[in-house]
Amino acid sequence: GIQVEQSPPDLILQEGANSTLRCNFSDSVNNLQWFHQNPWGQLINLFYIPSGTKQNGRLSATTVATERYSLLYISSSQTTDSGVYFCAALSGGSEKLVFGKGTKLTVNP
Amino acid sequence: ETGVTQSPTHLIKTRGQQVTLRCSSQSGHNTVSWYQQALGQGPQFIFQYYREEENGRGNFPPRFSGLQFPNYSSELNVNALELDDSALYLCASSWDRGQGGYTFGSGTRLTVV
Repeated sequence: GIQVEQSPPDLILQEGANSTLRCNFSDSVNNLQWFHQNPWGQLINLFYIPSGTKQNGRLSATTVATERYSLLYISSSQTTDSGVYFCAALSGGSEKLVFGKGTKLTVNP
Repeated sequence: ETGVTQSPTHLIKTRGQQVTLRCSSQSGHNTVSWYQQALGQGPQFIFQYYREEENGRGNFPPRFSGLQFPNYSSELNVNALELDDSALYLCASSWDRGQGGYTFGSGTRLTVV
């Protein structure tokens, strides 16, 4: 099955800094999503982005499907951005969304 | 449009007991998937239901079973609970097996003692 790897595993920022999170996947994908898991455990859907570029406020994401990677950009980070960011992918013919191990982001005031 | 709702939010059970977790899918969604997330790990796929039929299963034993109802809500049942079943259980819904992406609920945190 598809493998999903995220980097870095941990990231510590000062408020106001920018960051880039990376997701590599081992096969072509029908679905790629970025999630933010809050301290209460809920997975908040940030982007559905099997290809191309999307932006939502301070967050943007790019997936280069031909090179099998996706990037999540966070600009002007805020303390509320802290949490774990997951990338998850679903490859053709599969019903299983496969998650990476996540990037734990800590934004300090 | 309502999102994905799960109940209960927290649950404590004794080893050997049985538990039922519930999920109401987002309005318009006909697919429900269940995931188990152990502490510090990413979610792991348990199984998926599409139009009331099981549509794929992860590497979980048969004591993990499920149902999907005509209104597309779903249940996850776990028999003979083990200590290692302690985890956050997440439900996700989508249209047609993932078209447009999955929306997750807030989860049920199960503790087995």
